[in-house]
Amino acid sequence: QVQLVESGGGLVKPGGSLRLSCSASGFIFGDYHMSWIRQAPGKGLEWVSYINTRGSITYYADSVKGRFTISRDNAQNSLFLQMNSLTADDTAVYYCAKVKGYGFEYWGQGTLVTVSS
Amino acid sequence: SYVLTQPPSVSVAPGQTARITCGGNNIGIKSVNWYQQKPGQAPVLVVYHDSDRPSGIPERISGSNSGNTATLTISRVEAGDEADYYCQVCENIGDDWVFGGGTKLTVL
Repeated sequence: QVQLVESGGGLVKPGGSLRLSCSASGFIFGDYHMSWIRQAPGKGLEWVSYINTRGSITYYADSVKGRFTISRDNAQNSLFLQMNSLTADDTAVYYCAKVKGYGFEYWGQGTLVTVSS
Repeated sequence: SYVLTQPPSVSVAPGQTARITCGGNNIGIKSVNWYQQKPGQAPVLVVYHDSDRPSGIPERISGSNSGNTATLTISRVEAGDEADYYCQVCENIGDDWVFGGGTKLTVL
């Protein structure tokens, strides 16, 4: 069965950096586009970033453009999110998700990122 | 940026029908997806492409989309349906993925 396992979250100071990882299994990772979505504590869902199968096309929400970078390693079945210049507004649970059509077919359990001094 | 509007909350008695709306400008021409999120859990896709159900999702859950409103309908509501529900569309062929603000379904 499809499994997505995020890691790399934690406490970071404002202005700091963090790299999230998502390990995929149960499907041919290189055949599917992937995304990151986040959810601030007690808030709704916010799409963060998208990457196509080969990693040649990436998109970002305006709120993270220029600070976050999405990437993937199809040989390692892994998705990444490099987050720089973090602010308190970036505090959230970050989910990786397998894209199907124009939606998110499977989600990981998420990793919590807390930005605080 | 495209905006999706959902009611913050919907309440329904067990066995009744819950309808959760998602409003957007001409949303009827877009493909709408719906997600169910229970407390402390990741979201789960329950309807995609307006009205299709992934395997394992009961037939009690259905979707429709027309004009300026998409609707998620849950028939014969059970206590286990209590959750937050989010609608979602994709704009600009992947450049922008938009979620509604979410609706908390309470089973009375």
